[in-house]
Amino acid sequence: DAGVTQSPTHLIKTRGQHVTLRCSPISGHKSVSWYQQVLGQGPQFIFQYYEKEERGRGNFPDRFSARQFPNYSSELNVNALLLGDSALYLCASSLDLASGRAGETQYFGPGTRLLVL
Amino acid sequence: GQNIDQPTEMTATEGAIVQINCTYQTSGFNGLFWYQQHAGEAPTFLSYNVLDGLEEKGRFSSFLSRSKGYSYLLLKELQMKDSASYLCAVRNYNTDKLIFGTGTRLQVFP
Repeated sequence: DAGVTQSPTHLIKTRGQHVTLRCSPISGHKSVSWYQQVLGQGPQFIFQYYEKEERGRGNFPDRFSARQFPNYSSELNVNALLLGDSALYLCASSLDLASGRAGETQYFGPGTRLLVL
Repeated sequence: GQNIDQPTEMTATEGAIVQINCTYQTSGFNGLFWYQQHAGEAPTFLSYNVLDGLEEKGRFSSFLSRSKGYSYLLLKELQMKDSASYLCAVRNYNTDKLIFGTGTRLQVFP
């Protein structure tokens, strides 16, 4: 079974550029979450999408945006890149929303490593 | 707010047992997760606790005490491949987002 897939695996950009990262969830999973992981830190929540709607947003500037498509895949867009945006961007999928229920687990993709010069 | 604390680094010897602690403060607790992350790779799911007690999965066990805001991950019969970062994360009842600690970097020596 295919797990969560992300593309590209690595990306180098310069300050001011924009970037689009892509994620395909595990087959049958409807929820996709995006996390940013800076070296030496734990992942930080950016967005969650469920059934094409934004269900949660972390403490990130408006330069960060995302969307989910009818096939449940997702894109994360970052505009006006800053040096501090250099990080590993992780996509996680889960079968359904966990709100109010126990047991839902998020499974992570391999990540996209973004370097901003 | 939510806060997760875990030790930054730990070392252990191959074949030994190590316990990685995690303390948390959160409102509306809806589960605690442990993930393993090898350098340069994505986190992989290890365990999930929502009720008090011990969950055992082969060489790995995870314990939760909700009243104390405390969890630990126990790794037995350590192998060299267990050298990795171990991330503790909690989930709020009303959201799906996971709040992660900074991770504990475990080094296993021969």
